[in-house]
Amino acid sequence: EVHLVESGGGLVQPGGSLRLSCTSSGFTFTTYYMSWVRQAPGKGLEWVANINQDGSKKYYVDSVKGRFTISRDNAKNSLSLQMNSLTAEDTALYYCARDGDTINPPFDYWGQGTLVTISS
Amino acid sequence: DVVMTQSPLSLPVTLGQPASISCRSSQSLVSTDGKTHLNWFHQRPGQSPRRLIYQVSNRDSGVPDRFSGSGSGTDFTLEISRVEAEDVGVYYCMQNRHWPPYTFGQGTKLEIK
Repeated sequence: EVHLVESGGGLVQPGGSLRLSCTSSGFTFTTYYMSWVRQAPGKGLEWVANINQDGSKKYYVDSVKGRFTISRDNAKNSLSLQMNSLTAEDTALYYCARDGDTINPPFDYWGQGTLVTISS
Repeated sequence: DVVMTQSPLSLPVTLGQPASISCRSSQSLVSTDGKTHLNWFHQRPGQSPRRLIYQVSNRDSGVPDRFSGSGSGTDFTLEISRVEAEDVGVYYCMQNRHWPPYTFGQGTKLEIK
């Protein structure tokens, strides 16, 4: 059974940094893109970033380019999101989601999310 | 970026009655291989999203057959043949044809009358 478990969320002051992690199990991690998707309180879903299977390709939504860095450790079946220069607009529940592979469309599995709150 | 527009944004439905949600994209979601990259998700209150349908009309494993997806090009529809209590929550369409970024619709909140 596929499991995705996020961690690392918390309360951070504006301008601060935070690193999110996602550990995965139940599938061959190295064959899938992986994504981060966020949801601000009471709002809809927003794709944040994804990374290809070997970590050589990374893509970001414009609002986080230059501030967030996605990475993965295939030996540990883990995904990370380093978030710098955080603002109140980054306050959200951050989900780790299994993205696509050569056959499967994205987001068939999601974690439970980790809450990031940016406030002074 | 491709803009996804859903309607209605709020959908009160009587139990046992049908429901329909529309999703329109600002660009065609058909790829060169003929596939159409439009997906539907359901998010119950306090839960993570769950994918219901991929590539317009393919139900994910475990999704009841009262859910169906249709459409082509830029116009898509999610239909629930007979709404049950567990169907409450927010429904999102999402495109993965023109990325980055993947883009979602605003969400349609389904509630029971």
